[in-house]
Amino acid sequence: QVQLQESGPGLVKPSETLSLTCIGSGNSISHYYWSWIRQSPGKGLEWIGSMSHTGAANYNPSLKSRVSTSLDTSKNQFSLTLTSVTAADAAVYYCARCTPTGDGGRGYFDYWGQGALVTVSA
Amino acid sequence: DIVMTQSPDSLAVSLGERATINCKASQSVLYTIDNRNYLSWYQQKTGQPPKKIIAWASSRESGVPDRFSGSGSRTDFTLTISSLQAEDVAVYYCQQYYDAPLTFGGGTKVEIQ
Repeated sequence: QVQLQESGPGLVKPSETLSLTCIGSGNSISHYYWSWIRQSPGKGLEWIGSMSHTGAANYNPSLKSRVSTSLDTSKNQFSLTLTSVTAADAAVYYCARCTPTGDGGRGYFDYWGQGALVTVSA
Repeated sequence: DIVMTQSPDSLAVSLGERATINCKASQSVLYTIDNRNYLSWYQQKTGQPPKKIIAWASSRESGVPDRFSGSGSRTDFTLTISSLQAEDVAVYYCQQYYDAPLTFGGGTKVEIQ
């Protein structure tokens, strides 16, 4: 059984950087994409980006200039960094395993973490 | 971006009755080379993450009750719950994986009438 768990600060100040980590257990990090998705009342579910086990990353163009991800296969750990946050970035952030169905990070999400609530406030 | 539009926003159905949720894509998500629709459905219960229940528009995930079914092709898709049970109360989302960026519908809330 695949389990994913997000961790990171729940409160970030405007203009600062949001950093989250996801630790996976129960399966190898290979053969899948590892993704971040966020959910806010105003924008629903929004795909942030996905990274393959080889390190190839694909990001949503709406966030691409502020997003980066990294993968530590030795620790089964996947990380998200989002810079210059504003109130619009407040959301529940999920990490998810994505079964790839094509290039460009395309795929569907078959395992999700419980989510990490991030608030943006001074 | 492919825009996914779900309808209705919410619906209330009596126990044992049928619930029907629609999802419309702004362009076809049918990949003609493999003749597959690149669309999945998720169920999200209160306080939980989404859970994939259907992929490829109509392939039910293992363990998902057979009262859940998906249908449709190209731009128009439907998720049907044939006989609503109390445990089916949730918000349901469609998602296309035909093209990046991956996009979701706005969700349909299913309640008991």
